[in-house]
Amino acid sequence: GESVGLHLPTLSVQEGDNSIINCAYSNSASDYFIWYKQESGKGPQFIIDIRSNMDKRQGQRVTVLLNKTVKHLSLQIAATQPGDSAVYFCAEKRVSGTYKYIFGTGTRLKVLA
Amino acid sequence: GAVVSQHPSRVICKSGTSVKIECRSLDFQATTMFWYRQFPKQSLMLMATSNEGSKATYEQGVEKDKFLINHASLTLSTLTVTSAHPEDSSFYICSALGTREQETQYFGPGTRLLVL
Repeated sequence: GESVGLHLPTLSVQEGDNSIINCAYSNSASDYFIWYKQESGKGPQFIIDIRSNMDKRQGQRVTVLLNKTVKHLSLQIAATQPGDSAVYFCAEKRVSGTYKYIFGTGTRLKVLA
Repeated sequence: GAVVSQHPSRVICKSGTSVKIECRSLDFQATTMFWYRQFPKQSLMLMATSNEGSKATYEQGVEKDKFLINHASLTLSTLTVTSAHPEDSSFYICSALGTREQETQYFGPGTRLLVL
């Protein structure tokens, strides 16, 4: 099925370092993007979102960057903590009559003590 | 607020039987719910969009007669896996769109289905 692609399946970072998770999307008409965190055996949890009229948005310890020219977005986590260990997905909103969300392949973040 | 529940959380069934999974929005009304399937170490794959009072919209490759979706009220959508087979074993996750922030998906905790 269709999907938004990610470059790195697994990312290991030292506790306290910054993490950067990347995502490439394919549909240039997508206007809304979301990052989710999923812990084992649970549903996805919303982290941060960004609209296509923005190129950066900051939350608490997280920043999302959007580059529409190359259809790429990234999630930056500052001062990564053990509790950040999870799988992270980007998702894009596709509009075709109604709308739906297409998820990327996911990146597993491992935080090393 | 914006809590979505799923029931059951885990289910084991024999091959050939049917299994119903419920998705409920507990404190808000949801005209639209989505059903996803997730295999181990893979991403969420959208199966269908469930709209209250109308037929579900299925993604390409998803069998309508096998995965029956009913969205009879603004707080409940059900997914029935008919004549389940071992390859249907997966993690099924629903989400609901909030009526105020209509782009925000609220996810349920998922249902683990194992077909023997």
